[in-house]
Amino acid sequence: QSALTQPPSASGSLGQSVTISCTGTSRDVGGYNYVSWYQQHPGKAPKLIIYEVTKRPSGVPDRFSGSKSGNTASLTVSGLQAEDEADYYCSSHTGIKYVFGTGTKVTVL
Amino acid sequence: EVQLVESGGGLVQPGGSLRLSCAGSGFTFSASWMTWVRQAPGKGLEWVANMNQDGSEKYYVDLVKGRFTISRDNAKNSLYLEMNSLRAEDTAIYYCGRNNLPYAFDTWGQGTMVSVSS
Repeated sequence: QSALTQPPSASGSLGQSVTISCTGTSRDVGGYNYVSWYQQHPGKAPKLIIYEVTKRPSGVPDRFSGSKSGNTASLTVSGLQAEDEADYYCSSHTGIKYVFGTGTKVTVL
Repeated sequence: EVQLVESGGGLVQPGGSLRLSCAGSGFTFSASWMTWVRQAPGKGLEWVANMNQDGSEKYYVDLVKGRFTISRDNAKNSLYLEMNSLRAEDTAIYYCGRNNLPYAFDTWGQGTMVSVSS
């Protein structure tokens, strides 16, 4: 099972938006509405910010939103704040297993 | 407070074995699928294995199949990962995670470091 493809980096200015893509295949992203996104700050454990493509867990700001089209899922962070600078990973269920994306480092300018 | 705490990591020689533990608290451990995810130094996340509530279903990433065994003791609110025939490429931080939301890992431990080196 190959990792899902994400851009290595993305950036945006304070208050602006940034969108990260996550490309898989019909056997993972395209085949199931079970894409989740995780935020990871340096030296910390990952934190779930989106599940089932578009849903936010309790406590996650509505600045974070998810979507999917075909084999590509996307995470948009609106109104960028300094604390949003982190690594972001997508993940998809594949029917019985899971696969993560390659990760994207988001820089807030 | 929902919490997961991993332990058991350390330095081991290639070909050696190690057993990781993950203690859960603040939730009904026996009601949750549980997962192990690892992260090699400076690299991304990699799903390793998971199991269902009563241990009747277990799944592994191909790279560890036959070498790693996931298990749990619901009476002790604990998840385990028995790792045998360890290789240098198994060097990573190992996180345990809870699947309480559909097909997502909603709670993570702080991780335990495993280093495989001679």
